[in-house]
Amino acid sequence: NAGVTQTPKFQVLKTGQSMTLQCAQDMNHEYMSWYRQDPGMGLRLIHYSVGAGITDQGEVPNGYNVSRSTTEDFPLRLLSAAPSQTSVYFCASSRNNEQFFGPGTRLTVL
Amino acid sequence: DQQVKQNSPSLSVQEGRISILNCDYTNSMFDYFLWYKKYPAEGPTFLISISSIKDKNEDGRFTVFLNKSAKHLSLHIVPSQPGDSAVYFCAASAVYQAGGTSYGKLTFGQGTILTVHP
Repeated sequence: NAGVTQTPKFQVLKTGQSMTLQCAQDMNHEYMSWYRQDPGMGLRLIHYSVGAGITDQGEVPNGYNVSRSTTEDFPLRLLSAAPSQTSVYFCASSRNNEQFFGPGTRLTVL
Repeated sequence: DQQVKQNSPSLSVQEGRISILNCDYTNSMFDYFLWYKKYPAEGPTFLISISSIKDKNEDGRFTVFLNKSAKHLSLHIVPSQPGDSAVYFCAASAVYQAGGTSYGKLTFGQGTILTVHP
């Protein structure tokens, strides 16, 4: 049981490039979410999903897209990276209130 | 508008003493509260939680207190240990229903860096 896994651990992009952050969970959780962590801001919700085929926006969704084709996977897409998207990204999954987090992806946009 | 606030960016305590981390919230719809602990280069891990129908929940060295009238909760760590040094996030949830299942969409505070000195 690996829990929540995220790839890559680190990524450097140039402004305007696109990429997908991968997230997978093996706990059969319906609820999955993406957060970004910035200094002094805590964790802010980007997008979330309550099940396969169902996604919704969180607090800071602009510049990010998500899809949920399976229960296990919840990728986060940056369509055109901007320096303001430099952050640490965490994926989480849960069945009820307690969320389990992945180890994070540290993204730098130059 | 920050709905969950941790006004102390950092806290330093001596090993064996009590650590008290504070959190305030503004949304009256929040009905479940959690504390997460985060070490560098790792994801946050769940520590302890409390439902709005309670005012105290205890788990070993960790106790969370909830004052609903003041919209305030606190985490007490007694005794504090050097291994407790980490960032602590307060989170609040308003449970909602979707497809017959309950979910808690979490709103986090900014975090407090706790340092416990030997």
